[in-house]
Amino acid sequence: ETGVTQSPTHLIKTRGQQVTLRCSSQSGHNTVSWYQQALGQGPQFIFQYYREEENGRGNFPPRFSGLQFPNYSSELNVNALELDDSALYLCASSSPGLASVNEQFFGPGTRLTVL
Amino acid sequence: EDKVVQSPLSLVVHEGDTVTLNCSYEVTNFRSLLWYKQEKKAPTFLFMLTSSGIEKKSGRLSSILDKKELFSILNITATQTGDSAIYLCAVWDQAGTALIFGKGTTLSVSS
Repeated sequence: ETGVTQSPTHLIKTRGQQVTLRCSSQSGHNTVSWYQQALGQGPQFIFQYYREEENGRGNFPPRFSGLQFPNYSSELNVNALELDDSALYLCASSSPGLASVNEQFFGPGTRLTVL
Repeated sequence: EDKVVQSPLSLVVHEGDTVTLNCSYEVTNFRSLLWYKQEKKAPTFLFMLTSSGIEKKSGRLSSILDKKELFSILNITATQTGDSAIYLCAVWDQAGTALIFGKGTTLSVSS
């Protein structure tokens, strides 16, 4: 059973650019969630995808968007990057069924730096 | 508003000490509380607690939930330098969609 994987591991962008981060969920998991973790803070929920549809969204502007593919992998896209977008972006997957009574397993994250 | 508060925010102990990390929460329609250990990047799952008063144990780590007082504790006995990490506490939000995290407790264990 493979765990959650993310790519790339590190990324440096400049203000105004666009970025795409990728996540492959753990085998058998059909729910993928994305979190942003700023330095010294706990992860903050961006959105969740279940069966290729957005299934909940946190307090993030529309320039944060996502996709989930039929194989349950997912992308996070951020447009018009701002300095405050610099953070560790974590992807998490959950097993089928009611996610809220299951554990969520996290990938290694993508460290995004915006200059 | 759903929230999780962890204390202390940081802690420095010597190898062999026992530590207790605290997590209090406010959430509508409580479902479960989760503890994670974060060393470099990926938070790794430790425990999920759904019922009050039932201790979960894994080696030197244990955790318990009090749903009446709305808190949980994570105990680590005989600490080792490898226990140095950020410990995160989280609860599912009222919709059961998002994990709400505390800021974490940074534990440093010196040899």
